[in-house]
Amino acid sequence: AQKITQTQPGMFVQEKEAVTLDCTYDTSDPSYGLFWYKQPSSGEMIFLIYQGSYDQQNATEGRYSLNFQKARKSANLVISASQLGDSAMYFCAMRGWNYGQNFVFGPGTRLSVLP
Amino acid sequence: EAQVTQNPRYLITVTGKKLTVTCSQNMNHEYMSWYRQDPGLGLRQIYYSMNVEVTDKGDVPEGYKVSRKEKRNFPLILESPSPNQTSLYFCASSLREGVALHFGNGTRLTVT
Repeated sequence: AQKITQTQPGMFVQEKEAVTLDCTYDTSDPSYGLFWYKQPSSGEMIFLIYQGSYDQQNATEGRYSLNFQKARKSANLVISASQLGDSAMYFCAMRGWNYGQNFVFGPGTRLSVLP
Repeated sequence: EAQVTQNPRYLITVTGKKLTVTCSQNMNHEYMSWYRQDPGLGLRQIYYSMNVEVTDKGDVPEGYKVSRKEKRNFPLILESPSPNQTSLYFCASSLREGVALHFGNGTRLTVT
């Protein structure tokens, strides 16, 4: 079975500072992908970043980077230079490529950026 | 435009009155899934489908039905809705080995 854990129900960060949102996962699938999604107050789900389990380098997309530590089974999202528009719910998710190929989501972290 | 379309966006109904939330995608995706989102519980999967006529239970399937008769459509059926099914529902789709899950805009359901 696959499981995603996000231990931070809520986080605060000052505008222009960096913030790390934690995500740990559990899977028996040797090949998998890790994802982060953002959900602003308007409700839509926005794909942010993807990391494959065999990727050698950590994924980056603009101000978003994924700190992937395979041995620790962690896939933390780092947002640099936070902006007020980053205030949202953030979901970590994974997909196993060999067993079922289902998407599994964590409970989410609510990030609030303070001016 | 590539998209996942859910209807309706908002629905208020009464206990026991059967309803269907439709979901359609125009990207020829094999994988489709339904989630419900409740405060503090994140996104919980109801059902998913890897292809036509192939559906599997997610974490919270009780009280829901789905069907996948065509590749593009994946309706969610509540045969006898109850107040504990009041929630925000999302449909999503992906290629079989895709690295992105495309979401619909959500359906906010209230059962009184």
